[in-house]
Parts: sequence; structure tokens; C-alpha cells
Amino acid sequence: GAGVSQSPSNKVTEKGKDVELRCDPISGHTALYWYRQSLGQGLEFLIYFQGNSAPDKSGLPSDRFSAERTGGSVSTLTIQRTQQEDSAVYLCASSLGPGAGTEAFFGQGTRLTVV
Amino acid sequence: GENVEQHPSTLSVQEGDSAVIKCTYSDSASNYFPWYKQELGKRPQLIIDIRSNVGEKKDQRIAVTLNKTAKHFSLHITETQPEDSAVYFCAASIRGNKLVFGAGTILRVKS
Repeated sequence: GAGVSQSPSNKVTEKGKDVELRCDPISGHTALYWYRQSLGQGLEFLIYFQGNSAPDKSGLPSDRFSAERTGGSVSTLTIQRTQQEDSAVYLCASSLGPGAGTEAFFGQGTRLTVV
Repeated sequence: GENVEQHPSTLSVQEGDSAVIKCTYSDSASNYFPWYKQELGKRPQLIIDIRSNVGEKKDQRIAVTLNKTAKHFSLHITETQPEDSAVYFCAASIRGNKLVFGAGTILRVKS
């Protein structure tokens, strides 16, 4: 596609339910990032995928959060037993990968509201 | 791990004045330093970046400087305009791997 695509754009869920957020990176981009942005706050790193390497999960806030990337392309971020503090915009980004340093392109984000 | 600190958190300038945002990073292995602009309700977008083998880079009204010894880099916007009002994020990357972002600076340009 032309850019990074995320779905859904908005998600309202009840506390305790599980949610899945999807990211379609730019074709050919080997690096994929997930960030969380709470209202008026910065970009909190969650997880980083690079090619076939083991993902860097150091930013995941709890074991309720997990992510996978199938076939080196689409990624899914799963939040189990959602809590109200999980409400935020979840941003995905992709880039060509490591080396000289390449631009990361962001998707439009998924706004998650836990009620 | 890498840590990036960004100052100030908010910055108000008069239209036409210059704005400077500063960031420091912790890992000397970092070699890529992008700056992103995020307008209200929109996704962050790259405005300029610099690599560790360069000390300064300029693109029209925007410039970035890098001091590897001191481990800090700065964004300079000259002749600010109302459309420059946004949140600006700096970031650092180690060998092109995961990007670690600063907390952001809210820039308000008053006309």
C-alpha cells in the first residue's frame, strides 16, 4: 500500500475484554514498531520487530500485552483483559530497517477507549 | 537502554521569531537522530533527520545540529509561522534499530 495502515481507527471496548489491533506496514519494510500515546503525552515504545530477529519486547507494560508479526509483514497487537488505563492511541510505524538509519513512517493510529 | 530527554516541554514564540528545542541522549552508540512533527489529531511525520557523521543539516527554515561529544542535538526553526504550531518529538536510534523518542515539545507560534 501507499502507507502504513492501521485498523480499526477507533475501538471502544468494555473493561476486561480482549482487543486486537492490526498494522499493515509499507511493503518491503523490514522494521515495525508499536508505540502508545496517551492524551497529550509522548510516544511510549512498546515493541520492535526487525526481519526474522527476536522482537524487542522491552516496552510492553505488562503480560496482558503481546504482539506478533506474521510472515514479516502484518502485525497484531493484542491486549488481554483490558483496563481503563489502556485507553490511548496505539501507533504503528515501519521503516526499511537498520543500517544507516531510515525514516520511520507512522500509521494513523488506533484510538482505544476502555469503558 | 537508550534514554532521550527533551526540553522545553512547551515553547511559545512570536511569529517571525526563532524556536530552539534541545534533546540529550544517553547511549554513545546512537547514530541516527530524526525529528518528527505531530499536528493535532494527526500522525507524527518526519521533518528532518541527521546522522552521526554530520554536525549540522539544514532544510529551508529548519536546521538540526548534533554534538556527539556532549550527546545532544537541537532543532532550530527560524522565521516561525502559525502553521509551525505542533508537537515536536526528537528521537535517537542505535544502529538504525528501535527509535526511542523524547517526551515532546508543544510549540505555539503566536500571530
